[in-house]
Amino acid sequence: QSALTQPASLSESPGQSITISCTATSSDVGSFDFVSWYKHLPGRDPKLVIFDVFSRPSGVSPRFSGSKSGNTASLTISGLQADDEADYYCSSYSATSILVFGGGTKVTVL
Amino acid sequence: QVQLVQSGTDVKRPGASVKVSCKASGYVFIDYCICWMRQARGQGLEWMGCIGPNNGITDYAQNLRGRVTMTADTSTTTAYMELRSLTFDDTAIYYCAKGLDSDRLDVFDIWGQGTRVTVSS
Repeated sequence: QSALTQPASLSESPGQSITISCTATSSDVGSFDFVSWYKHLPGRDPKLVIFDVFSRPSGVSPRFSGSKSGNTASLTISGLQADDEADYYCSSYSATSILVFGGGTKVTVL
Repeated sequence: QVQLVQSGTDVKRPGASVKVSCKASGYVFIDYCICWMRQARGQGLEWMGCIGPNNGITDYAQNLRGRVTMTADTSTTTAYMELRSLTFDDTAIYYCAKGLDSDRLDVFDIWGQGTRVTVSS
């Protein structure tokens, strides 16, 4: 069982917003300040979309935003587009494992 | 252009070893850690470990210690991940990735294209 829990799948219509949660189930992640999010298309290399909870790398659309409340981090994609369809993984620094990943969330654009 | 290019698909017998390479270009190789992750079919990403190319210091996932070795050749700007005593559970796509900053082991801005390793009898 992963130390980070994500919903297995979410779906929403184009133009709408979708929020993916990532809940820490272990105290190993500490204050949960080093959460990252990756977009992953099967057969492709993962792409960093958010790091350190809410920081966005250069070149990533502002439609992607991150937040945190308590032991749950969230990735919100606004103005959903067809090419947002992918698997999304959260990750967090862990005191015992250095890095742990969530199980991934498959986002479907209806 | 910053990129990581990995070696190609590999098939191994149970009990054998596999060595995957990751050729870096477009940045100062010794300044950023290289970490390795894998993804088995239908599973999520799993962190395997990291190496600092400037000093060769490594940190491995607990469940892989004793079976995995990560190295870096600064002359060819290539990182390597060797996994020994392979079992069917090691069948996965293996990725190398570059740390976002020089001191980051937990976030990666560039990933390799992935190397499919199949363990089959």
